[in-house]
Amino acid sequence: KAGVTQTPRYLIKTRGQQVTLSCSPISGHRSVSWYQQTPGQGLQFLFEYFSETQRNKGNFPGRFSGRQFSNSRSEMNVSTLELGDSALYLCASSLSLGTGAYNEQFFGPGTRLTVL
Amino acid sequence: AQSVAQPEDQVNVAEGNPLTVKCTYSVSGNPYLFWYVQYPNRGLQFLLKYITGDNLVKGSYGFEAEFNKSQTSFHLKKPSALVSDSALYFCAVRGMNRDDKIIFGKGTRLHILP
Repeated sequence: KAGVTQTPRYLIKTRGQQVTLSCSPISGHRSVSWYQQTPGQGLQFLFEYFSETQRNKGNFPGRFSGRQFSNSRSEMNVSTLELGDSALYLCASSLSLGTGAYNEQFFGPGTRLTVL
Repeated sequence: AQSVAQPEDQVNVAEGNPLTVKCTYSVSGNPYLFWYVQYPNRGLQFLLKYITGDNLVKGSYGFEAEFNKSQTSFHLKKPSALVSDSALYFCAVRGMNRDDKIIFGKGTRLHILP
């Protein structure tokens, strides 16, 4: 079974631009979560989608948005990029919402975004 | 509010020695606790979790963790460290409600010295 895939793996943008990152979950997984990882802040939760609906949201400004498609693939968008948005963006998929005995999160390799 | 603390930014252990990576948490109600490992240029890999039941949880690669409710801790342990265990380790906590977010600690970098 293929793992979580994220595209692109690396991205360089300039301030003020916008960016779209893509995540394909493991087949059969319906929940997709996004995280931002930086050396200073560690891993911070962005949002979680399930059945095309945002179910949970972290403390990020409205410039960060996302969506989920009917095939469970998800995209996140960051508009008006700032230097501080440089980070590794991780996507994780799980079978469902919540934490059950078998509802583990499986992470993709991440997209490394650099804002110049 | 939920929180997780990993008090050590870095832990150095000689190969073959036992290792411990510390984690304490705060959550209302019973916690779901996790350990993940991250190797360079890779995403996070699941190691183990505590949901309920036995306080000692065994996971991947010979790791185990002990849930201590009175000390609100979930320390990661391994009896004999390998150089290949060198990586970044994250502890995480999630509440029992369906819509609770998972909160990660800042991470602890583990160096196993040959």
